[in-house]
Formats: sequence, C-alpha cells, structure tokens
Amino acid sequence: AQKITQTQPGMFVQEKEAVTLDCTYDTSDPSYGLFWYKQPSSGEMIFLIYQGSYDQQNATEGRYSLNFQKARKSANLVISASQLGDSAMYFCAMREVWSNTGKLIFGQGTTLQVKP
Amino acid sequence: ETGVTQTPRHLVMGMTNKKSLKCEQHLGHNAMYWYKQSAKKPLELMFVYNFKEQTENNSVPSRFSPECPNSSHLFLHLHTLQPEDSALYLCASSQEVRTGGFGANVLTFGAGSRLTVL
Repeated sequence: AQKITQTQPGMFVQEKEAVTLDCTYDTSDPSYGLFWYKQPSSGEMIFLIYQGSYDQQNATEGRYSLNFQKARKSANLVISASQLGDSAMYFCAMREVWSNTGKLIFGQGTTLQVKP
Repeated sequence: ETGVTQTPRHLVMGMTNKKSLKCEQHLGHNAMYWYKQSAKKPLELMFVYNFKEQTENNSVPSRFSPECPNSSHLFLHLHTLQPEDSALYLCASSQEVRTGGFGANVLTFGAGSRLTVL
C-alpha cells in the first residue's frame, strides 16, 4: 500500500538560507509521481514541484528543487534563499500512475517558519 | 472565475442540519476530488470522480453524500453530522485520461470550506 512519511512536524530557517524538508515514501508500483504542495494559513494547497519515478534528473522549479533518491525512497524538498512568504505548511504527496482510482495520498506535513 | 472555487468558505451547522458544499472548476479538467483535513491529521481522500463516475469512496460515512452532475461541478451533501466532522474540506481537480491509468497529473485545489459542527 502507498505510504508517505514526513518526520519533521516543524522547522525553522533563517531568511535567505536554504532548508530541506524530508519525505520518504513506500509503494509497490514501479510507476509513480511525487509532489510537493504548500499550504499557507489561507488554506489553499499550492502545487510546487513534481518528480516522476522514471525521471533521470532531480526536478527544479525556481527556488524549489527535489532531492530524489529512488533507492532510499526519499523525495526531499529543498528551498533555497528562504523568504518570509515561505512560512507555511508543506506536504509531500504521491500518486501511483496505474492506480485505478487516481488516489493522491499525503504525508502529515511540515510547518516551516522563516525567521527575519 | 478561474481555477477551483469552493463555496461556502465557512459553514457552521448543527448536528441535525442538512447543508451542501459546492465546488466548481474552470480548468476544463475531467476528474474531481474531495479531501478532508482535520487538525493534526494528514489530508484524507474522501471521493474521486473521473468523467463523472465515482472511482473512489474511501470508506466515508453515509452522512457525507457526493454528487458530480458534470465534470465541472462537485457537491458534498452533509446531513446529521457529528462534531468530529468539523474540518477543512478541500476540493481538487485534474486532467486525466479515461482509460489506461491516471498518469502523474497535478491536482489543483480550491481554498477549502471550513466546516464547524456544533
């Protein structure tokens, strides 16, 4: 069965520094997608970055990059040059490509606070 | 209107009330989802509709009744709820294929409906 684990309930980072948010996953499907979403206090889930299980290179989107280690089943999010607006809850999620239900499951989330 | 719109944004109801949450997407997507987000718990998938057909019911109690009249609209009908049903209910949509697997497509979420059951 699919499972996503985020072991850091809360993280602090100084403004302009980089921070890594951890995510490990478990699946028996060889084809899957990994996602990171940001949820500010307003509640909306904002898509940040995607990594496919067959992608050879780590995904990058602006200040976001995904450190994908397939053998370890980890997909850590790296945010470079943190900004105050990055303070939010961050969720790692996974979707099995050949699932017959389209289920996207989420980890418990990590609260990130950026200090000025 | 663009993206995924959820109404109402806030709802307070008694345990004997009947209410509905509405979700509308303006993205041309064909799959829609309801998620429940309770305090200190991961997001829980409730229902999935793909091309108006329900493909997932994640053991949701019958006091929650989904309705998907077309690919752009999704409702969650609520009746005789319990206080523990108080949560943020998030709707999402994505572009999927009808057969052959769901692909790794991005879900676009609405801002959520915050429900309080007294």
